[in-house]
Amino acid sequence: EVQLVESGGGLVQPGGSLRLSCAASGFTFSTYAMSWVRQAPGKGLEWVSAISGSGGSTYYADSVKGRFTISRDNSKNTLNLQMNSLRVEDTAVYYCAKETRGAPRGGFDYWGQGTLVTVSS
Amino acid sequence: QSALTQPRSVSGSPGQSVTISCTGTSSDVGGYSYVSWYQQHPGKAPKLMIYDVTKRPSGVPDRFSGSKSGNTASLTISGLQAEDEADYYCCSYAGSNTLVFGGGTKLTVL
Repeated sequence: EVQLVESGGGLVQPGGSLRLSCAASGFTFSTYAMSWVRQAPGKGLEWVSAISGSGGSTYYADSVKGRFTISRDNSKNTLNLQMNSLRVEDTAVYYCAKETRGAPRGGFDYWGQGTLVTVSS
Repeated sequence: QSALTQPRSVSGSPGQSVTISCTGTSSDVGGYSYVSWYQQHPGKAPKLMIYDVTKRPSGVPDRFSGSKSGNTASLTISGLQAEDEADYYCCSYAGSNTLVFGGGTKLTVL
Protein backbone atom coordinates (compact mmCIF):
# COMPACT_ATOMS: atom_id res chain seq x y z
CA GLU A 1 0.00 0.00 0.00
CA VAL A 2 1.36 3.38 -1.02
CA GLN A 3 1.72 5.83 1.85
CA LEU A 4 2.99 9.40 1.94
CA VAL A 5 3.35 10.99 5.37
CA GLU A 6 4.34 14.65 5.67
CA SER A 7 5.91 16.25 8.72
CA GLY A 8 7.62 19.46 9.76
CA GLY A 9 4.84 21.99 9.52
CA GLY A 10 4.23 24.61 12.18
CA LEU A 11 4.17 28.29 13.06
CA VAL A 12 7.07 30.46 11.87
CA GLN A 13 7.64 34.19 11.73
CA PRO A 14 7.96 36.06 8.43
CA GLY A 15 11.51 35.76 7.15
CA GLY A 16 12.01 32.48 8.97
CA SER A 17 12.75 28.98 7.71
CA LEU A 18 11.10 25.59 7.92
CA ARG A 19 11.94 22.13 6.54
CA LEU A 20 9.17 19.78 5.47
CA SER A 21 9.64 16.06 4.97
CA CYS A 22 7.57 13.36 3.33
CA ALA A 23 8.17 9.70 4.15
CA ALA A 24 7.19 7.41 1.29
CA SER A 25 6.47 3.69 1.36
CA GLY A 26 4.79 1.00 -0.71
CA PHE A 27 6.41 1.75 -4.07
CA THR A 28 9.83 2.04 -5.72
CA PHE A 29 10.49 5.62 -4.66
CA SER A 30 13.37 6.38 -7.04
CA THR A 31 11.27 5.55 -10.11
CA TYR A 32 8.83 8.39 -9.76
CA ALA A 33 8.95 12.18 -9.83
CA MET A 34 7.55 13.83 -6.71
CA SER A 35 6.00 17.24 -6.15
CA TRP A 36 4.93 19.57 -3.38
CA VAL A 37 1.50 21.15 -3.83
CA ARG A 38 0.06 23.68 -1.41
CA GLN A 39 -3.38 24.99 -0.55
CA ALA A 40 -3.87 28.24 1.30
CA PRO A 41 -6.82 28.30 3.74
CA GLY A 42 -10.07 28.33 1.77
CA LYS A 43 -8.20 28.60 -1.53
CA GLY A 44 -7.30 26.36 -4.46
CA LEU A 45 -4.36 24.09 -5.17
CA GLU A 46 -1.00 25.55 -6.21
CA TRP A 47 1.90 23.54 -7.56
CA VAL A 48 5.08 24.50 -5.70
CA SER A 49 7.98 22.33 -6.79
CA ALA A 50 8.92 19.01 -8.39
CA ILE A 51 11.93 16.72 -8.50
CA SER A 52 12.84 13.93 -10.89
CA GLY A 53 13.06 10.34 -9.74
CA SER A 54 16.84 10.41 -9.57
CA GLY A 55 16.84 13.76 -7.79
CA GLY A 56 19.09 15.24 -10.43
CA SER A 57 16.55 17.73 -11.74
CA THR A 58 14.47 20.18 -9.74
CA TYR A 59 11.73 22.60 -10.76
CA TYR A 60 9.95 25.47 -9.04
CA ALA A 61 6.97 27.77 -9.36
CA ASP A 62 7.95 31.40 -9.84
CA SER A 63 6.35 32.24 -6.49
CA VAL A 64 8.94 30.20 -4.55
CA LYS A 65 11.98 30.19 -6.84
CA GLY A 66 15.11 31.22 -4.98
CA ARG A 67 13.48 30.69 -1.57
CA PHE A 68 12.49 27.01 -1.54
CA THR A 69 14.69 23.98 -2.24
CA ILE A 70 13.33 20.53 -3.00
CA SER A 71 15.44 17.43 -2.46
CA ARG A 72 15.05 13.70 -2.03
CA ASP A 73 16.98 10.86 -0.40
CA ASN A 74 16.21 7.73 -2.36
CA SER A 75 18.09 5.57 0.17
CA LYS A 76 15.64 6.68 2.85
CA ASN A 77 12.55 7.10 0.63
CA THR A 78 12.21 10.68 1.79
CA LEU A 79 11.20 13.89 0.03
CA ASN A 80 12.12 17.26 1.53
CA LEU A 81 11.27 20.92 1.07
CA GLN A 82 13.52 23.53 2.63
CA MET A 83 11.62 26.79 2.88
CA ASN A 84 13.56 30.00 3.55
CA SER A 85 12.57 33.68 3.65
CA LEU A 86 9.01 32.67 4.39
CA ARG A 87 6.22 35.13 3.73
CA VAL A 88 2.71 35.44 5.11
CA GLU A 89 1.38 34.33 1.71
CA ASP A 90 3.22 31.00 2.06
CA THR A 91 0.71 30.01 4.74
CA ALA A 92 -0.94 26.82 3.49
CA VAL A 93 -1.36 23.11 3.85
CA TYR A 94 1.54 21.51 2.01
CA TYR A 95 0.97 18.16 0.33
CA CYS A 96 3.57 15.84 -1.11
CA ALA A 97 2.33 14.03 -4.19
CA LYS A 98 3.60 11.12 -6.26
CA GLU A 99 3.62 11.29 -10.05
CA THR A 100 2.55 8.44 -12.29
CA ARG A 101 5.89 8.72 -14.13
CA GLY A 102 9.50 9.77 -13.73
CA ALA A 103 8.96 13.34 -14.85
CA PRO A 104 6.53 16.00 -13.58
CA ARG A 105 3.46 15.95 -15.81
CA GLY A 106 0.70 16.47 -13.26
CA GLY A 107 -0.66 12.97 -12.83
CA PHE A 108 -0.53 12.77 -9.04
CA ASP A 109 -1.94 9.36 -8.15
CA TYR A 110 -1.09 9.47 -4.44
CA TRP A 111 -1.12 12.34 -1.96
CA GLY A 112 -0.10 12.71 1.66
CA GLN A 113 -2.48 14.01 4.31
CA GLY A 114 -0.81 17.42 4.28
CA THR A 115 1.07 19.48 6.85
CA LEU A 116 0.05 23.02 7.83
CA VAL A 117 2.57 25.83 7.59
CA THR A 118 1.55 29.12 9.21
CA VAL A 119 3.67 32.21 8.65
CA SER A 120 2.70 34.90 11.10
CA SER A 121 4.21 37.33 13.55
CA GLN B 1 2.32 30.54 -14.60
CA SER B 2 -1.20 31.99 -14.53
CA ALA B 3 -3.88 29.76 -13.06
CA LEU B 4 -6.18 27.93 -15.47
CA THR B 5 -9.75 29.23 -15.61
CA GLN B 6 -12.56 27.10 -14.20
CA PRO B 7 -16.17 28.05 -13.38
CA ARG B 8 -16.52 28.76 -9.68
CA SER B 9 -19.51 26.46 -9.36
CA VAL B 10 -21.68 24.01 -11.24
CA SER B 11 -24.68 22.01 -10.13
CA GLY B 12 -26.85 19.13 -11.23
CA SER B 13 -29.49 16.74 -10.00
CA PRO B 14 -28.84 13.08 -9.26
CA GLY B 15 -28.65 11.06 -12.44
CA GLN B 16 -27.87 14.07 -14.62
CA SER B 17 -24.59 14.89 -16.34
CA VAL B 18 -22.42 17.90 -15.66
CA THR B 19 -19.35 19.21 -17.43
CA ILE B 20 -16.61 21.31 -15.85
CA SER B 21 -14.40 23.34 -18.16
CA CYS B 22 -10.77 24.29 -17.73
CA THR B 23 -9.42 26.98 -20.02
CA GLY B 24 -5.76 27.75 -20.50
CA THR B 25 -3.53 28.78 -23.36
CA SER B 26 -1.48 27.20 -26.11
CA SER B 27 1.41 27.19 -23.62
CA ASP B 28 -0.30 24.79 -21.27
CA VAL B 29 -3.63 23.05 -21.92
CA GLY B 30 -3.50 23.52 -25.69
CA GLY B 31 0.13 22.60 -26.09
CA TYR B 32 0.33 19.24 -24.35
CA SER B 33 -1.67 16.09 -23.66
CA TYR B 34 -1.05 16.34 -19.93
CA VAL B 35 -4.23 17.52 -18.28
CA SER B 36 -5.37 15.93 -15.04
CA TRP B 37 -8.43 16.34 -12.83
CA TYR B 38 -8.72 16.06 -9.05
CA GLN B 39 -11.67 15.65 -6.71
CA GLN B 40 -11.36 17.09 -3.21
CA HIS B 41 -13.83 16.64 -0.40
CA PRO B 42 -13.69 19.08 2.54
CA GLY B 43 -10.73 18.46 4.81
CA LYS B 44 -9.36 15.69 2.59
CA ALA B 45 -6.42 15.36 0.22
CA PRO B 46 -7.17 15.61 -3.51
CA LYS B 47 -7.90 12.41 -5.44
CA LEU B 48 -6.81 11.81 -9.03
CA MET B 49 -9.82 11.26 -11.30
CA ILE B 50 -8.38 11.74 -14.82
CA TYR B 51 -4.83 12.09 -16.14
CA ASP B 52 -3.26 12.54 -19.57
CA VAL B 53 -6.54 14.23 -20.66
CA THR B 54 -8.61 11.05 -20.93
CA LYS B 55 -7.07 8.28 -18.81
CA ARG B 56 -8.89 7.03 -15.75
CA PRO B 57 -6.95 5.48 -12.83
CA SER B 58 -8.11 2.09 -11.63
CA GLY B 59 -10.94 2.43 -9.16
CA VAL B 60 -12.38 5.62 -10.62
CA PRO B 61 -15.90 5.03 -11.96
CA ASP B 62 -16.37 5.24 -15.71
CA ARG B 63 -18.97 7.95 -15.03
CA PHE B 64 -15.97 10.29 -15.01
CA SER B 65 -14.48 11.18 -18.39
CA GLY B 66 -12.08 13.78 -19.73
CA SER B 67 -11.60 15.51 -23.05
CA LYS B 68 -9.83 18.46 -24.62
CA SER B 69 -10.46 20.80 -27.51
CA GLY B 70 -7.95 23.51 -28.27
CA ASN B 71 -7.06 25.39 -25.11
CA THR B 72 -10.00 24.03 -23.11
CA ALA B 73 -10.17 20.74 -21.26
CA SER B 74 -13.35 19.31 -19.80
CA LEU B 75 -14.38 16.87 -17.11
CA THR B 76 -17.78 15.24 -17.57
CA ILE B 77 -19.54 13.41 -14.77
CA SER B 78 -22.52 11.37 -15.90
CA GLY B 79 -25.13 9.72 -13.68
CA LEU B 80 -24.46 12.27 -10.95
CA GLN B 81 -24.45 10.88 -7.41
CA ALA B 82 -24.60 12.60 -4.04
CA GLU B 83 -21.03 11.58 -3.23
CA ASP B 84 -19.78 13.44 -6.30
CA GLU B 85 -20.40 16.72 -4.48
CA ALA B 86 -16.91 18.13 -4.00
CA ASP B 87 -14.39 20.61 -5.33
CA TYR B 88 -12.77 19.74 -8.65
CA TYR B 89 -9.42 21.02 -9.91
CA CYS B 90 -7.76 20.72 -13.28
CA CYS B 91 -4.00 20.69 -13.69
CA SER B 92 -1.93 21.09 -16.83
CA TYR B 93 1.69 20.71 -17.81
CA ALA B 94 2.99 24.15 -18.74
CA GLY B 95 6.33 23.29 -20.28
CA SER B 96 9.84 23.29 -18.80
CA ASN B 97 8.71 20.72 -16.23
CA THR B 98 6.31 23.14 -14.56
CA LEU B 99 2.64 22.63 -13.73
CA VAL B 100 -0.36 24.90 -13.25
CA PHE B 101 -3.69 24.26 -11.52
CA GLY B 102 -7.08 25.73 -12.16
CA GLY B 103 -8.85 27.81 -9.55
CA GLY B 104 -11.26 25.01 -8.70
CA THR B 105 -14.96 24.35 -9.23
CA LYS B 106 -17.49 23.55 -6.52
CA LEU B 107 -19.93 20.87 -7.67
CA THR B 108 -23.27 20.85 -5.91
CA VAL B 109 -25.60 17.88 -6.27
CA LEU B 110 -29.11 19.27 -5.90
